[in-house]
Amino acid sequence: KAGVTQTPRYLIKTRGQQVTLSCSPISGHRSVSWYQQTPGQGLQFLFEYFSETQRNKGNFPGRFSGRQFSNSRSEMNVSTLELGDSALYLCASSLEVGWGDEQYFGPGTRLTVT
Amino acid sequence: GIQVEQSPPDLILQEGANSTLRCNFSDSVNNLQWFHQNPWGQLINLFYIPSGTKQNGRLSATTVATERYSLLYISSSQTTDSGVYFCAVEETSGSRLTFGEGTQLTVNP
Repeated sequence: KAGVTQTPRYLIKTRGQQVTLSCSPISGHRSVSWYQQTPGQGLQFLFEYFSETQRNKGNFPGRFSGRQFSNSRSEMNVSTLELGDSALYLCASSLEVGWGDEQYFGPGTRLTVT
Repeated sequence: GIQVEQSPPDLILQEGANSTLRCNFSDSVNNLQWFHQNPWGQLINLFYIPSGTKQNGRLSATTVATERYSLLYISSSQTTDSGVYFCAVEETSGSRLTFGEGTQLTVNP
């Protein structure tokens, strides 16, 4: 079974631009979560989607948004990029039969904002 | 929110040595996972262990949920074990993982 895939793997953007990242979960998994990893803040939860609905949201500004499609694929968007948005963005998927299911992570998208 | 503390923050070993990494958490959890982050950034699942003990080759883990801690044991360490090890928990009220700050393990030949 294929793992979680993320595209693109690397991205360089200019301050003020917007960016869209994509995540395809493991086949059959219905929940997709997004995390941001930076050297200063560590790994932080962005949001979680289940059945095309945002079920949980972390403490990030409204410039960060996401959505989930009917096939469980998810995208996240960051508008008006700031230098501090440079980070590794990780997507995770889980079956979500109940609470506490094991989560599996993709390889990440490394975003650099200049 | 829940607090997750990992210790030690850094660990340097000689190849062949054993080590224990610790994860303390501040509240009840639905899920506890250990990950190894590879040099390219991907989080590799090591254990899904909200309670009890599991073993996988040279690695084993124990979670004592009632005392709110988990331990990851690495035996006969190899240079390929180097990297950052993260503990992450999902508290009972939600579906997000909260990560510790990680343990940076360096295994020298």
